[in-house]
Amino acid sequence: QVQLVQSGAEVKKPGASVKVSCKASGYTFTSYGISWVRQAPGQGLEWMGWISAYNGNTNYAQKLQGRVTMTTDTSTSTAYMELRSLRSDDTAVYYCARDALEGWGELSSWGQGTLVTVSS
Amino acid sequence: DVVMTQSPLSLPVTLGQPASISCRSSQSLVYSDGNTYLNWFQQRPGQSPRRLIYKVSNWDSGVPDRFSGSGSGTDFTLKISRVEAEDVGVYYCMQGTHWPHTFGQGTKLEIK
Repeated sequence: QVQLVQSGAEVKKPGASVKVSCKASGYTFTSYGISWVRQAPGQGLEWMGWISAYNGNTNYAQKLQGRVTMTTDTSTSTAYMELRSLRSDDTAVYYCARDALEGWGELSSWGQGTLVTVSS
Repeated sequence: DVVMTQSPLSLPVTLGQPASISCRSSQSLVYSDGNTYLNWFQQRPGQSPRRLIYKVSNWDSGVPDRFSGSGSGTDFTLKISRVEAEDVGVYYCMQGTHWPHTFGQGTKLEIK
């Protein structure tokens, strides 16, 4: 069965960077994409971006452009999301989700979420 | 960006009664390939979101058939024919037709 297992919770200071991993299993990694979605405490879902696991093409939310980088390691079927210059309003649970290869927002399977807390 | 507007934002429902959530987009969600990339997600308390419906009206495996999706263009609906206790949570629509993808604000379903 499809599984996405994310790395553990992180606490970071403002201005630091965080890198969250998402290890996929149960399907052919390079036949799909990965989208990242975050959820601030008590808030709704926010789409952050998408990466094709086939060729590394990406599409990011404009508000995060310049601060976010999504990558994949096909040898380990793992996707990564790095967010830099962290601010307090980046405090959220970060989810990875399997998406279509073309990035249609299909989000058919989700990871368990990674809580990132930004606090001085 | 395409704005997704859900209503209502809060939905108290009696067990066994039907429920309906509307989702409207600020632009047509029909892509040039003829598909409409409008999906519905359920997030139960303390859990990750789970997809219920994809491309407007297609069920995911394991999703009870009391859930159904319909609509076209800019107007979409998620219906629950008979609400059960396990349906409590927040429901989101999301469009994947246009970049950036966008979610609705969420509709919180609770039992009256």
